Amino acid sequence: QVHLQESGPGLVKPSETLSLTCTVSGASISSSDSNWVWFRQPPGKGLEWIGSIKSSGRTYYNPSLKSRVTMSLDTSKSQFSLELRSVTAADTAVFYCARRLTRGRFDPWGQGTLVTVSS
Amino acid sequence: QSALTQPASVSGSPGQSITISCTGTSSDVGGYNSVSWYQQHPGKAPKLMIYDVTNRPSGVSNRFSGSKSGNTASLTISGLQAEDEADYYCSSYTTSDTYVFGTGTKVTVL
Repeated sequence: QVHLQESGPGLVKPSETLSLTCTVSGASISSSDSNWVWFRQPPGKGLEWIGSIKSSGRTYYNPSLKSRVTMSLDTSKSQFSLELRSVTAADTAVFYCARRLTRGRFDPWGQGTLVTVSS
Repeated sequence: QSALTQPASVSGSPGQSITISCTGTSSDVGGYNSVSWYQQHPGKAPKLMIYDVTNRPSGVSNRFSGSKSGNTASLTISGLQAEDEADYYCSSYTTSDTYVFGTGTKVTVL
């Protein structure tokens, strides 16, 4: 059974960098049949795709966030990571990681982690 | 990259069928069979209910079905049950090699 778990600080100061890690168990993060994905959901609002990373390391980012986002893989730890730079209060959200099996299939998802941007 | 359009709310009585629409463009919903639907209960992570327009993951009730016509995808829940009360989001792959979500629909079981 594939399981994903997000981890990272729950509070980040404005203008700083938000850093999150997703630990994958039950599947190989190096597998070519899976991409790894980050999403976010501001409190009371809808879902937003942040970006995806292939096992090769190739990344795809939401155009609205591209200038501030970096995703990376650490195959030795079975983890992938998200960095979001120069955060503001508008970046406060629950962040989810997930596996992408096909272009139309994100499954499973992690439980999510709330990150609040505040001084 | 505009969000896909979903009705804000849909309601039905137990046992009834309801349909949630998800309208996009030829650059997303209409251009690819890569639409998926997610159910989200309050405080919980989204759960995949339908993928690649019509496919149901193992373990998801056959009361859930998906379809697509042109630029609009639909999720139908038949035999509505109290446990189906949740928020539902559609998602589509796009021509820009990115993904866009729908605005979300709150399903209420009367």
